[in-house]
Amino acid sequence: ELKVEQNPLFLSMQEGKNYTIYCNYSTTSDRLYWYRQDPGKSLESLFVLLSNGAVKQEGRLMASLDTKARLSTLHITAAVHDLSATYFCAVDIPSGGGADGLTFGKGTHLIIQP
Amino acid sequence: NAGVTQTPKFQVLKTGQSMTLQCAQDMNHEYMSWYRQDPGMGLRLIHYSVGAGITDQGEVPNGYNVSRSTTEDFPLRLLSAAPSQTSVYFCASSYSVAGDGYTFGSGTRLTVV
Repeated sequence: ELKVEQNPLFLSMQEGKNYTIYCNYSTTSDRLYWYRQDPGKSLESLFVLLSNGAVKQEGRLMASLDTKARLSTLHITAAVHDLSATYFCAVDIPSGGGADGLTFGKGTHLIIQP
Repeated sequence: NAGVTQTPKFQVLKTGQSMTLQCAQDMNHEYMSWYRQDPGMGLRLIHYSVGAGITDQGEVPNGYNVSRSTTEDFPLRLLSAAPSQTSVYFCASSYSVAGDGYTFGSGTRLTVV
């Protein structure tokens, strides 16, 4: 059974600081996804990581994937208040050439204070 | 291009009532899936479909039925609602290799009293 663990689950940080959210998963997979969710809203896709060593950056966010360690990181650089949200990582297991659904971490509730 | 459309957005049911949550996508995605989101639990997979006529169970399928008669639609049925099914439900779709990731609908907030 695939398990996905995120840490920390709650993070309060100041604007301008850097921090990293970690996502560990239990079963071999080279497909990992990061999503952002604002309160009362749906999930917004941030990054799709599909191979070992994949690194993607968008603005102040950078995500990476190490499939050997079964670890992905979401790094926040010089945080700003607008990045306050809940961040989820999710993994799926390829099956029959396709995808059968995502297993999510419990999410990291990020608050960025001025 | 509407993406993934879920209806209704809000619903209150009495225990024992039945209802269907609708999900439709216009992106010709083969894969569709339903999740429920509960506080502190993240999202959990209920059922998924790899194409028309093919469905399978996810992590928490009990109390829910699905069918997939067309590529576009993937309804979720609650046959006899229970308070434990109070949750926010999300539908998602993707291409077969999920290279672009999964697209989520806006969600249905369901309360069972």
